[in-house]
Amino acid sequence: ETGVTQSPTHLIKTRGQQVTLRCSSQSGHNTVSWYQQALGQGPQFIFQYYREEENGRGNFPPRFSGLQFPNYSSELNVNALELDDSALYLCASSSGGNYGYTFGSGTRLTVV
Amino acid sequence: AQSVTQLDSQVPVFEEAPVELRCNYSSSVSVYLFWYVQYPNQGLQLLLKYLSGSTLVESINGFEAEFNKSQTSFHLRKPSVHISDTAEYFCAVSDSRTGKLIFGQGTTLQVKP
Repeated sequence: ETGVTQSPTHLIKTRGQQVTLRCSSQSGHNTVSWYQQALGQGPQFIFQYYREEENGRGNFPPRFSGLQFPNYSSELNVNALELDDSALYLCASSSGGNYGYTFGSGTRLTVV
Repeated sequence: AQSVTQLDSQVPVFEEAPVELRCNYSSSVSVYLFWYVQYPNQGLQLLLKYLSGSTLVESINGFEAEFNKSQTSFHLRKPSVHISDTAEYFCAVSDSRTGKLIFGQGTTLQVKP
């Protein structure tokens, strides 16, 4: 079975720009979550999608938005990028039931 | 609100020595508990999890963790570490209703030869 894949692996953007990060869930997983991991910190929950609907959101502003598609792949969009948005963005998928998430390798976003 | 505290930011240890990485959590509801490991420039890998049943859970590579409800702890232990265990370790709790993970700040395990 395939794991969780994220693209791109690295990205450099300028402050004020918009970015889209992509994630392909593990086969059979219908729940996807996105996390932001700043350097030296633990991951912070951004939001979660279940069957294309957002069903949980962390303490992030509305300029962080997402989508989940019928094939359960997902996108994270960030508008009006700020320097503090520089971080590793992790996507995680699950089959539900709180059995643990499978994480991708992440996208390293640098905002300059 | 739920929270996770990892009591040590760095744990240096010599190869083949035992190690314990400490994790305490706070929650007013039932939780599930996890340990994840992160190697440099990689994502998180699930090491072990406690959902219910036996309070002692084990991983395939020799780590174990014990859920202690009275002390709200989920410490990770290994009787003999290897150089390859050098990594960042994250303790996490899962909200039993939403499934979202709340992570601690992480503990860097540095295994020295």
